[in-house]
Formats: sequence, C-alpha cells, structure tokens
Amino acid sequence: DTGVSQDPRHKITKRGQNVTFRCDPISEHNRLYWYRQTLGQGPEFLTYFQNEAQLEKSRLLSDRFSAERPKGSFSTLEIQRTEQGDSAMYLCASSSTGFNEKLFFGSGTQLSVL
Amino acid sequence: KQEVTQIPAALSVPEGENLVLNCSFTDSAIYNLQWFRQDPGKGLTSLLLIQSSQREQTSGRLNASLDKSSGRSTLYIAASQPGDSATYLCAVRMDSSYKLIFGSGTRLLVRP
Repeated sequence: DTGVSQDPRHKITKRGQNVTFRCDPISEHNRLYWYRQTLGQGPEFLTYFQNEAQLEKSRLLSDRFSAERPKGSFSTLEIQRTEQGDSAMYLCASSSTGFNEKLFFGSGTQLSVL
Repeated sequence: KQEVTQIPAALSVPEGENLVLNCSFTDSAIYNLQWFRQDPGKGLTSLLLIQSSQREQTSGRLNASLDKSSGRSTLYIAASQPGDSATYLCAVRMDSSYKLIFGSGTRLLVRP
C-alpha cells in the first residue's frame, strides 16, 4: 500500500492552456474526492466519486472543470482554458465504504498559471 | 450555510507545554468532525474522527472533544514537541453530504 498518489507534483502553465491531473487512490478504496486549496486557507470541496459514479459536485466547479473516474480506479481532473485564479494546490483523497471512514490525502498537485 | 472557524490562526509555544486548539461551526447538524494535520507543501493526515454521537476521541498525546449543541470542538495536545509543528485543520461533514467543510487552520510552532 503506497497511499494516495498524485501526478504531477507541480505544473506550470500559461493562461488559456488545458491541464490534466491524475490521482491513484488506495487500491481498496471505492470513494474518491477532489479538493482545491489556496495559501492560508483550508481545502475546498470540488467533487466526489463512489466507484465510477460522480455523485456530488461543488458549485465552485465551473464548466471549465471536469473530472472522471473510469472503471472506478484512478481519477483525472481536467481544467480547460486555465485562468490565473485557478492557481492552487489540487488535492485528491480516498476512503473506504462507511460514512465515518477517515480520508487519506495525496500530496497534491501545485498548479501555477502564468 | 455551514461555516467553520478556527482560533487562533497561529500559535507559538515552548516545547513541553500542553495546548488547546479551537474549532467552531455554525450548523450543528453534522455527521462527524475530523481533525487533520498538514505539513508545509504536503497533503493532509487525519488525526482523529469524532462521530456526532460521541463526545471525544483520543490517540496518544492527542484528545479531541465535540460539543455538537454549542457548535464547538477542541484539540488538546499534551506535552508538545517540535515535531508537532504543523497546521492543524478541523473539518465537518454534514448529514446530507459526503463533502468535508474545512476551517482555515491553526498554524502551530513548538519551539525547542
């Protein structure tokens, strides 16, 4: 068990470009979450998957953001036409079934939009 | 709308002190509350999870309490060590959702 893995660790892009991040959850976890965190703030919820189904999505997630979890394994988060305001740490977390299960977070992808 | 507040925003203490971090929330209809630790540039590590029906949870030198009716939780750290230096975040999960709503955290520095 290697924990939750995120790739890349850092991404620098120019405004207007598309970026994609990948998350590999702990293998037996069927729940997967994406959060966004800016400096000095707590993480903000973006979206939640149970297996391959996207069951909850924040209003913060504009049409430029899309997430997928094909086959209920790894997940990708894509941001189209990036803006400077998208600069943040993007965190992925996973948990097993059960409403009171602890979340395990990855180390995050730090996005900088120039 | 649920709001989570953490006080103080930053705290500096000498090694060996016992300390208390505070978390308050505006809507008491929570399902559980979690305390996390975050080291600079890293992800979050779950420390303690308290179900809404529980009053406290303990793990080693850490003790978290929950008073759901008053919308408050505290994280007590006994005999603090320099290795405890990190940002501590509390987060609540509401009855009707799987998402966590986080506070902004308390940045703790334990001086040797």
